[in-house]
Amino acid sequence: EAQVTQNPRYLITVTGKKLTVTCSQNMNHEYMSWYRQDPGLGLRQIYYSMNVEVTDKGDVPEGYKVSRKEKRNFPLILESPSPNQTSLYFCASSLRDRYKEPQHFGDGTRLSIL
Amino acid sequence: TQLLEQSPQFLSIQEGENLTVYCNSSSVFSSLQWYRQEPGEGPVLLVTVVTGGEVKKLKRLTFQFGDARKDSSLHITAAQPGDTGLYLCAGAEGSWGKLQFGAGTQVVVTP
Repeated sequence: EAQVTQNPRYLITVTGKKLTVTCSQNMNHEYMSWYRQDPGLGLRQIYYSMNVEVTDKGDVPEGYKVSRKEKRNFPLILESPSPNQTSLYFCASSLRDRYKEPQHFGDGTRLSIL
Repeated sequence: TQLLEQSPQFLSIQEGENLTVYCNSSSVFSSLQWYRQEPGEGPVLLVTVVTGGEVKKLKRLTFQFGDARKDSSLHITAAQPGDTGLYLCAGAEGSWGKLQFGAGTQVVVTP
Protein backbone atom coordinates (compact mmCIF):
# COMPACT_ATOMS: atom_id res chain seq x y z
CA GLU A 1 0.00 0.00 0.00
CA ALA A 2 1.33 3.44 -0.99
CA GLN A 3 1.86 5.47 2.13
CA VAL A 4 3.81 8.02 4.13
CA THR A 5 4.70 6.74 7.60
CA GLN A 6 5.60 8.99 10.51
CA ASN A 7 6.89 7.96 13.92
CA PRO A 8 6.14 8.53 16.66
CA ARG A 9 2.47 9.51 16.44
CA TYR A 10 2.55 11.16 19.85
CA LEU A 11 5.40 12.45 22.00
CA ILE A 12 5.55 14.40 25.23
CA THR A 13 9.01 15.59 26.17
CA VAL A 14 10.85 18.35 27.97
CA THR A 15 12.59 21.51 26.82
CA GLY A 16 16.09 20.94 25.48
CA LYS A 17 15.93 17.18 24.98
CA LYS A 18 16.86 16.40 21.38
CA LEU A 19 14.28 14.46 19.41
CA THR A 20 13.81 13.08 15.91
CA VAL A 21 10.57 12.45 14.07
CA THR A 22 11.01 9.94 11.28
CA CYS A 23 9.23 9.99 7.92
CA SER A 24 9.34 7.30 5.29
CA GLN A 25 7.53 6.96 1.94
CA ASN A 26 7.31 3.89 -0.28
CA MET A 27 6.26 5.61 -3.52
CA ASN A 28 9.72 6.54 -4.84
CA HIS A 29 8.77 10.21 -4.60
CA GLU A 30 11.39 12.88 -5.20
CA TYR A 31 9.79 15.75 -3.26
CA MET A 32 9.26 15.62 0.50
CA SER A 33 8.17 18.28 2.99
CA TRP A 34 7.60 18.85 6.65
CA TYR A 35 4.71 21.01 7.88
CA ARG A 36 3.43 22.11 11.23
CA GLN A 37 -0.28 22.71 11.79
CA ASP A 38 -1.44 25.18 14.43
CA PRO A 39 -5.02 26.36 15.11
CA GLY A 40 -5.97 29.31 12.94
CA LEU A 41 -2.70 29.19 11.01
CA GLY A 42 -3.19 26.19 8.77
CA LEU A 43 -0.24 24.18 7.52
CA ARG A 44 3.09 25.97 7.35
CA GLN A 45 6.08 24.46 5.59
CA ILE A 46 9.18 23.92 7.74
CA TYR A 47 11.65 22.35 5.31
CA TYR A 48 11.47 20.60 1.99
CA SER A 49 13.66 18.36 -0.13
CA MET A 50 13.66 18.12 -3.90
CA ASN A 51 15.77 14.95 -3.95
CA VAL A 52 18.51 13.09 -2.13
CA GLU A 53 20.99 15.49 -0.48
CA VAL A 54 18.95 18.53 -1.64
CA THR A 55 17.08 20.36 1.11
CA ASP A 56 15.90 23.92 1.63
CA LYS A 57 14.11 26.07 4.18
CA GLY A 58 10.39 26.57 4.08
CA ASP A 59 8.47 29.35 5.81
CA VAL A 60 9.20 28.46 9.47
CA PRO A 61 12.58 26.65 9.64
CA GLU A 62 13.92 28.12 12.90
CA GLY A 63 14.72 25.46 15.50
CA TYR A 64 14.52 22.53 13.07
CA LYS A 65 16.95 20.48 10.99
CA VAL A 66 16.38 17.87 8.30
CA SER A 67 18.43 15.45 6.25
CA ARG A 68 17.79 13.44 3.08
CA LYS A 69 20.40 10.72 2.81
CA GLU A 70 18.04 8.25 1.13
CA LYS A 71 15.15 8.93 -1.20
CA ARG A 72 12.55 7.29 1.02
CA ASN A 73 13.47 8.91 4.37
CA PHE A 74 13.22 12.51 5.52
CA PRO A 75 13.66 12.86 9.30
CA LEU A 76 12.86 16.06 11.20
CA ILE A 77 15.26 16.90 14.01
CA LEU A 78 14.64 19.23 16.93
CA GLU A 79 18.09 19.76 18.49
CA SER A 80 16.84 21.72 21.50
CA PRO A 81 13.04 21.69 21.57
CA SER A 82 11.17 24.58 23.14
CA PRO A 83 7.49 24.93 24.16
CA ASN A 84 6.69 27.04 21.07
CA GLN A 85 7.42 23.96 18.98
CA THR A 86 4.44 22.17 20.51
CA SER A 87 2.34 21.42 17.46
CA LEU A 88 0.94 18.82 15.07
CA TYR A 89 3.54 17.87 12.46
CA PHE A 90 2.96 16.36 9.05
CA CYS A 91 5.34 14.85 6.56
CA ALA A 92 4.27 14.85 2.91
CA SER A 93 5.66 13.60 -0.37
CA SER A 94 4.93 14.07 -4.05
CA LEU A 95 6.28 12.50 -7.19
CA ARG A 96 8.08 15.64 -8.33
CA ASP A 97 8.55 19.25 -7.32
CA ARG A 98 5.89 20.50 -9.74
CA TYR A 99 2.84 22.66 -9.18
CA LYS A 100 0.31 20.07 -10.37
CA GLU A 101 1.54 17.23 -8.22
CA PRO A 102 -0.68 16.14 -5.34
CA GLN A 103 0.94 15.79 -1.96
CA HIS A 104 0.52 12.62 0.07
CA PHE A 105 0.49 13.19 3.80
CA GLY A 106 1.34 11.02 6.76
CA ASP A 107 -1.10 10.75 9.67
CA GLY A 108 0.75 13.31 11.77
CA THR A 109 2.88 13.49 14.90
CA ARG A 110 1.58 15.40 17.89
CA LEU A 111 4.48 16.88 19.85
CA SER A 112 4.14 18.43 23.29
CA ILE A 113 7.20 20.21 24.67
CA LEU A 114 6.94 20.95 28.39
CA THR B 1 -0.72 37.12 7.44
CA GLN B 2 -2.31 34.22 5.60
CA LEU B 3 -1.59 34.22 1.88
CA LEU B 4 -4.80 32.30 1.28
CA GLU B 5 -7.90 33.39 3.19
CA GLN B 6 -10.62 30.80 3.67
CA SER B 7 -14.17 31.60 4.67
CA PRO B 8 -16.07 30.79 6.66
CA GLN B 9 -13.83 29.39 9.38
CA PHE B 10 -16.60 27.14 10.65
CA LEU B 11 -19.82 25.87 9.09
CA SER B 12 -22.47 23.73 10.75
CA ILE B 13 -25.38 22.51 8.63
CA GLN B 14 -28.06 19.85 8.56
CA GLU B 15 -27.90 16.82 6.31
CA GLY B 16 -29.34 17.59 2.88
CA GLU B 17 -28.41 21.28 2.86
CA ASN B 18 -25.94 22.87 0.46
CA LEU B 19 -22.77 24.71 1.42
CA THR B 20 -20.02 26.75 -0.19
CA VAL B 21 -16.49 27.33 1.07
CA TYR B 22 -14.36 30.14 -0.34
CA CYS B 23 -10.62 30.52 -0.78
CA ASN B 24 -9.31 33.97 -1.71
CA SER B 25 -5.94 35.59 -2.32
CA SER B 26 -4.32 38.61 -3.91
CA SER B 27 -1.72 36.30 -5.49
CA VAL B 28 -1.99 34.44 -8.77
CA PHE B 29 -1.57 30.69 -8.50
CA SER B 30 -0.40 28.14 -11.07
CA SER B 31 -2.63 25.57 -9.41
CA LEU B 32 -5.08 25.35 -6.55
CA GLN B 33 -5.62 22.17 -4.61
CA TRP B 34 -8.38 21.25 -2.17
CA TYR B 35 -7.78 18.76 0.63
CA ARG B 36 -10.02 17.27 3.29
CA GLN B 37 -8.64 16.37 6.70
CA GLU B 38 -10.35 14.18 9.29
CA PRO B 39 -9.36 13.99 12.98
CA GLY B 40 -6.20 11.99 13.59
CA GLU B 41 -5.31 11.85 9.91
CA GLY B 42 -3.38 13.83 7.36
CA PRO B 43 -5.01 15.89 4.60
CA VAL B 44 -6.19 13.93 1.56
CA LEU B 45 -6.32 15.50 -1.87
CA LEU B 46 -9.79 16.06 -3.36
CA VAL B 47 -8.97 17.95 -6.55
CA THR B 48 -6.40 20.06 -8.40
CA VAL B 49 -7.48 22.94 -10.67
CA VAL B 50 -5.00 24.65 -12.97
CA THR B 51 -6.90 26.67 -15.59
CA GLY B 52 -8.64 29.99 -14.88
CA GLY B 53 -12.41 29.50 -14.92
CA GLU B 54 -12.06 25.72 -14.60
CA VAL B 55 -14.90 23.81 -12.97
CA LYS B 56 -14.45 20.25 -11.72
CA LYS B 57 -17.09 17.97 -10.26
CA LEU B 58 -16.49 15.09 -7.91
CA LYS B 59 -19.89 13.49 -7.21
CA ARG B 60 -21.69 16.07 -5.01
CA LEU B 61 -18.64 18.37 -4.79
CA THR B 62 -18.08 21.16 -7.32
CA PHE B 63 -14.81 23.05 -7.44
CA GLN B 64 -14.26 26.29 -9.30
CA PHE B 65 -11.05 28.18 -10.03
CA GLY B 66 -11.48 31.92 -10.56
CA ASP B 67 -10.82 33.42 -13.99
CA ALA B 68 -7.81 35.33 -12.67
CA ARG B 69 -6.52 32.26 -10.77
CA LYS B 70 -6.60 34.14 -7.46
CA ASP B 71 -9.58 32.47 -5.85
CA SER B 72 -11.50 29.23 -5.69
CA SER B 73 -14.69 27.81 -4.24
CA LEU B 74 -15.93 24.43 -3.14
CA HIS B 75 -19.66 23.75 -3.26
CA ILE B 76 -21.24 20.67 -1.69
CA THR B 77 -24.75 19.72 -2.74
CA ALA B 78 -27.02 17.79 -0.37
CA ALA B 79 -24.36 17.44 2.31
CA GLN B 80 -24.07 14.17 4.23
CA PRO B 81 -22.52 13.45 7.66
CA GLY B 82 -19.60 11.82 5.83
CA ASP B 83 -18.70 15.25 4.42
CA THR B 84 -17.75 16.42 7.91
CA GLY B 85 -14.11 17.47 8.06
CA LEU B 86 -11.58 20.27 7.76
CA TYR B 87 -11.39 21.55 4.18
CA LEU B 88 -8.09 23.12 3.18
CA CYS B 89 -7.19 25.01 0.04
CA ALA B 90 -3.57 25.22 -1.08
CA GLY B 91 -2.01 27.23 -3.88
CA ALA B 92 1.21 26.80 -5.81
CA GLU B 93 2.93 29.88 -7.23
CA GLY B 94 5.20 29.50 -10.25
CA SER B 95 6.24 26.12 -11.59
CA TRP B 96 7.31 24.48 -8.37
CA GLY B 97 5.58 22.26 -5.89
CA LYS B 98 5.73 24.48 -2.80
CA LEU B 99 2.20 24.97 -1.49
CA GLN B 100 0.73 27.80 0.59
CA PHE B 101 -2.19 26.58 2.68
CA GLY B 102 -5.23 28.39 3.93
CA ALA B 103 -6.20 28.02 7.60
CA GLY B 104 -9.08 25.72 6.72
CA THR B 105 -12.86 25.60 7.03
CA GLN B 106 -14.29 23.19 9.58
CA VAL B 107 -17.51 21.69 8.20
CA VAL B 108 -19.91 19.78 10.45
CA VAL B 109 -22.91 18.03 8.91
CA THR B 110 -25.44 16.74 11.42
CA PRO B 111 -28.00 14.02 10.64
